[in-house]
Amino acid sequence: DAKTTQPNSMESNEEEPVHLPCNHSTISGTDYIHWYRQLPSQGPEYVIHGLTSNVNNRMASLAIAEDRKSSTLILHRATLRDAAVYYCILRSSYDKVIFGPGTSLSVIP
Amino acid sequence: GAVVSQHPSWVICKSGTSVKIECRSLDFQATTMFWYRQFPKQSLMLMATSNEGSKATYEQGVEKDKFLINHASLTLSTLTVTSAHPEDSSFYICSPGLAGVKGEQFFGPGTRLTVL
Repeated sequence: DAKTTQPNSMESNEEEPVHLPCNHSTISGTDYIHWYRQLPSQGPEYVIHGLTSNVNNRMASLAIAEDRKSSTLILHRATLRDAAVYYCILRSSYDKVIFGPGTSLSVIP
Repeated sequence: GAVVSQHPSWVICKSGTSVKIECRSLDFQATTMFWYRQFPKQSLMLMATSNEGSKATYEQGVEKDKFLINHASLTLSTLTVTSAHPEDSSFYICSPGLAGVKGEQFFGPGTRLTVL
């Protein structure tokens, strides 16, 4: 799996939007961009994924740069329950999922 | 979505004993299971990939004789930590490999192992 780069930590105020960036300059044409998050003492949870077009679901939005070398996970209104470590992962096959350090998001009441 | 369970959710054992962790896929069949461990304040590290009916594939640096993986059925995979030591204390997480790149990957809730 290709490598991704994320900030170690970010802060957000409650009820404000959060933009979590991810750089993946070595992404290949067949790599899908996946986002997962992990709450304390829990297994990771799927958030969203996409290939080229921006994606929306009930949890978040994924904005993918035109050259696909970066993407941004958008939480439209952060809540205290969104405080977690967010992982940006590239996947190109049915192969294993490799996690990077991720971004630890803190939400301030 | 797919449901993955792990048992036990936490376990405390004495040094030198063996501990078995079960991972069950409750509403689907998983031919492949990924096993991860996570130390405090660190990311998940892939330990091994198990395939139903065949030997597991271990990542570099993971001792296959210490971490025994059995994937005897499509709904159950087990990880046994043999002769556990305090440095094996960690959070162990399983994940069935079924969705591929086009779908979401599901993860178990994790098992917290503490070795005294």
